[in-house]
Amino acid sequence: NAGVTQTPKFQVLKTGQSMTLQCAQDMNHNSMYWYRQDPGMGLRLIYYSASEGTTDKGEVPNGYNVSRLNKREFSLRLESAAPSQTSVYFCASSEAPGLVKQYFGPGTRLTVT
Amino acid sequence: QKEVEQNSGPLSVPEGAIASLNCTYSDQGSQSFFWYRQYSGKSPELIMFIYSNGDKEDGRFTAQLNKASQYVSLLIRDSQPSDSATYLCAVNPYSGAGSYQLTFGKGTKLSVIP
Repeated sequence: NAGVTQTPKFQVLKTGQSMTLQCAQDMNHNSMYWYRQDPGMGLRLIYYSASEGTTDKGEVPNGYNVSRLNKREFSLRLESAAPSQTSVYFCASSEAPGLVKQYFGPGTRLTVT
Repeated sequence: QKEVEQNSGPLSVPEGAIASLNCTYSDQGSQSFFWYRQYSGKSPELIMFIYSNGDKEDGRFTAQLNKASQYVSLLIRDSQPSDSATYLCAVNPYSGAGSYQLTFGKGTKLSVIP
């Protein structure tokens, strides 16, 4: 039981390049989330998927797109990376949306130069 | 703007002492409250959650909630050097369908001195 997995662990991009961050969970959770964590800013929600087939914007969605590929997988895409997107990205999942616990993946450290 | 405030620290306590971490939140309708521990370079790990006013104990950890004062705290008894980490307070702003977002505080860094 791996929980929440993310790939890659580290990535360096040049400004304007695109990439997709992958996330998968094996806990049969319905809801999945993408956060970014920046020094002094805390964790901020980018997008979430309350259930398979639905996605919604969080606090900081600009510059990102997401796909809920199936119940297990939720990907985050940067179409044209900018230095402001340098951050640590965490994927999380929960059994259901709302009043329940979220479990986090190990994170992806992204640097955009 | 819903806010969750924490003292950034660092909070230094001697080994064996009680560490007290505090969090205030702005949304009076908030329904559920979580404490996450994050070691440097690692992901957040849920350690406590509380929904009702009062205290909730789990081993060395006690979460305290006072909705009237919009205040939640985490007490760590018999603090150990392995408790040294950043502690994140997270608040779910309201109940019902659509309450999908947790608002996180910026975290309090705890250092337990041997």
